[in-house]
Amino acid sequence: QKEVEQDPGPLSVPEGAIVSLNCTYSNSAFQYFMWYRQYSRKGPELLMYTYSSGNKEDGRFTAQVDKSSKYISLFIRDSQPSDSATYLCAMSANGNQFYFGTGTSLTVIP
Amino acid sequence: DAGVIQSPRHEVTEMGQEVTLRCKPISGHNSLFWYRQTMMRGLELLIYFNNNVPIDDSGMPEDRFSAKMPNASFSTLKIQPSEPRDSAVYFCASRADIHQPQHFGDGTRLSIL
Repeated sequence: QKEVEQDPGPLSVPEGAIVSLNCTYSNSAFQYFMWYRQYSRKGPELLMYTYSSGNKEDGRFTAQVDKSSKYISLFIRDSQPSDSATYLCAMSANGNQFYFGTGTSLTVIP
Repeated sequence: DAGVIQSPRHEVTEMGQEVTLRCKPISGHNSLFWYRQTMMRGLELLIYFNNNVPIDDSGMPEDRFSAKMPNASFSTLKIQPSEPRDSAVYFCASRADIHQPQHFGDGTRLSIL
């Protein structure tokens, strides 16, 4: 079983839609959770960083962590064509060894 | 602010050749990470350094891979001899401390023929 599972998609939505991206994990010791956005031929760019559980909001982005279900989510409100990218979740127990999902490809259609 | 800088951006070489990838972390960051990204396996941690010292190299696939960090502003990942299955995008990331997130460079796209 992989440490982190992420649906690869692809996911295609119309502009303005709410997007929900999810990851599940198996290690109950994970306490650092991150979401990255990766454009083609670029490095991952940090979107959200959460320590322990709960919700975090930043502009159009909201990250949720449900440790009881071992499930994390990223919501994008009012999606824009510029949000078209691959979204990676990442998590760690000790803050050093991070496990990444394989990424979900998102396309926002104008 | 300058981000993490990697070079070269692209490398194409023949099987058996030595390959050296380079990384300059963000100034003031004390941890550096090397990752490999493939379609099948995603991003995998190869090795990371704290204060220039290798802490965990359990992700290095085999002895053909080696990494060094001679000072706080430079690190190398070397593959010798290279094989076609090493073809991937290699990323370097750095961070300020354990409670801060990692910041990635734009990677080196490596093709071994």
